[in-house]
Amino acid sequence: NAGVTQTPKFRVLKTGQSMTLLCAQDMNHEYMYWYRQDPGMGLRLIHYSVGEGTTAKGEVPDGYNVSRLKKQNFLLGLESAAPSQTSVYFCASSFTIGGASYEQYFGPGTRLTVT
Amino acid sequence: AQSVTQLGSHVSVSEGALVLLRCNYSSSVPPYLFWYVQYPNQGLQLLLKYTSAATLVKGINGFEAEFKKSETSFHLTKPSAHMSDAAEYFCAVTLTGGGNKLTFGTGTQLKVEL
Repeated sequence: NAGVTQTPKFRVLKTGQSMTLLCAQDMNHEYMYWYRQDPGMGLRLIHYSVGEGTTAKGEVPDGYNVSRLKKQNFLLGLESAAPSQTSVYFCASSFTIGGASYEQYFGPGTRLTVT
Repeated sequence: AQSVTQLGSHVSVSEGALVLLRCNYSSSVPPYLFWYVQYPNQGLQLLLKYTSAATLVKGINGFEAEFKKSETSFHLTKPSAHMSDAAEYFCAVTLTGGGNKLTFGTGTQLKVEL
């Protein structure tokens, strides 16, 4: 049981390049999330998904796109990277039973630098 | 909308001393509250959670937190700090339904000194 995994662990991009971050979970969770973590700002939600084929915007969605074609995978895309997108990106997954909220499980993170 | 405030971005304690990390929340409805810990270059790990059952919640590694509705607080404590507790701690809040979206505080870096 690997939990939540993220690929790649590190990446350096030049301004204007594109890339896709992959998140996979093997816990059969319905909900998945992408966050970015910047010093002194905690974690901020970029996009999230409440089920296969659904996505929604979070707090800081500009410059990012996501897709959830399979229940176990959640992809985060940067179409044209900017230095302001230099950050550590975390994926998480969660579940609900009877409408009650439960904790999120986090991946190890992807450190992205845009030069 | 909900929000979380963590007082003190850096806290330093001596090994064996009490650890107290503060978290205040704002929510229009009863919240679910969480404390997560992040060790260097790792993801976040759940320490404990409050989900409207007991107001005193015990977590891993000897940590506990008490939900106080009148003070809108959920402070994290540990009676005796250990060097291995040095990490960053995040308080987070979510509401029932709405996709379990978490709103995080800005984090508190805990330093443990000999």
